[in-house]
Amino acid sequence: DTAVSQTPKYLVTQMGNDKSIKCEQNLGHDTMYWYKQDSKKFLKIMFSYNNKELIINETVPNRFSPKSPDKAHLNLHINSLELGDSAVYFCASSQDRSQLTFFGQGTRLTVV
Amino acid sequence: EDKVVQSPLSLVVHEGDTVTLNCSYEVTNFRSLLWYKQEKKAPTFLFMLTSSGIEKKSGRLSSILDKKELFSILNITATQTGDSAIYLCAVEFRSGGSNYKLTFGKGTLLTVNP
Repeated sequence: DTAVSQTPKYLVTQMGNDKSIKCEQNLGHDTMYWYKQDSKKFLKIMFSYNNKELIINETVPNRFSPKSPDKAHLNLHINSLELGDSAVYFCASSQDRSQLTFFGQGTRLTVV
Repeated sequence: EDKVVQSPLSLVVHEGDTVTLNCSYEVTNFRSLLWYKQEKKAPTFLFMLTSSGIEKKSGRLSSILDKKELFSILNITATQTGDSAIYLCAVEFRSGGSNYKLTFGKGTLLTVNP
């Protein structure tokens, strides 16, 4: 069983569209994250949720809005997509105090 | 500003060589340092280090942390083509209250040629 799963794996869309990426973890973890990996493979945290509450919100455009309906899910909605949003987006989770972060397989977003 | 710096950025070796990857960091409220291996998809966990001087080993891979000098190394002996990947170093630190954040270095791209 996949521990952290995100859908879709690939997403190609036009500029200006709105899209969502879904993430689910079945590890019983309290904390979930969204990371963005750019073309140079640099991983940078975007958001972190703990028990459905936002605890980290890095400097990302407010076109990006995470939503956590329950602690096993953290979805990422992106409005008015821009070319620069093209990247691989990773969802991840960790147990509050275990420090070990598990990653999903990534969603490759291409904005054309 | 908190940061994690890895070196070299890329490395090409032949099978059988031994490699050492470096990770230095400058963070306040350090909690742990983690190494990940990333091939085509998600980073996969290798080691978590919290104490200085204690070597962690897994097969041909080993890692150690120096909290005084603020760095860690990842060693791979008798490299194989399957070791080709990006190796990511990440540092966890307290970012405020009881919240912790994981910051990644830019990674080292290792290529092992037959």
